Amino acid sequence: SQWGEENLQALSIQEGEDVTMNCSYKTYTTVVQWYRQKSGKGPAQLILIRSNEREKRSGRLRATLDTSSQSSSLSITGTLATDTAVYFCSNSAGNKLTFGIGTRVLVRP
Amino acid sequence: DAGVTQTPRHEVAEKGQTIILKCEPVSGHNDLFWYRQTKIQGLELLSYFRSKSLMEDGGAFKDRFKAEMLNSSFSTLKIQPTEPKDSAVYLCASSLENTGQLYFGEGSKLTVL
Repeated sequence: SQWGEENLQALSIQEGEDVTMNCSYKTYTTVVQWYRQKSGKGPAQLILIRSNEREKRSGRLRATLDTSSQSSSLSITGTLATDTAVYFCSNSAGNKLTFGIGTRVLVRP
Repeated sequence: DAGVTQTPRHEVAEKGQTIILKCEPVSGHNDLFWYRQTKIQGLELLSYFRSKSLMEDGGAFKDRFKAEMLNSSFSTLKIQPTEPKDSAVYLCASSLENTGQLYFGEGSKLTVL
């Protein structure tokens, strides 16, 4: 993908642990979004971070954006079994989003 | 408010058949997107409408894929004729112009035999 890219990963962690996933992109972007997709559902937005922000928090989620290295990360603290999902980063040209392959996270109870 | 509604949730087709997938966006949203999702390619954009006008038709998907939006509350994606490689989940999403946030439906899983 020319845009948001994560190396496809599968992470298995124990409930309560923290997890961080990374994403890099090749073209200029003004906005990076992270989405989560649970089994059998469509993706749902978790957090949006703009190019003038270095960090954004929402509950147990923390996203970072480094425009100089064109990379973003999403961290989840104190994971729950319900955090089991595939996580995507995306960046946008206007309203048109391009997505990475995703990071599959399994949180074991 | 109702979210994005997609029907059918599952579709099984024989090679060469025509299938039509349907999508109702969130009321008031003026952008609508069709994506195809596979394990290998991830999410690929098929079509993008703004206020019912086709803004992008997905390049490589042009020849057998046709998305239409006859009114602001309904869109269809026609695949004709289907091929086994079209087996995938087809996702519809909508958004308000310039907000950047997409709201996805639960998808239509297509299996072509």
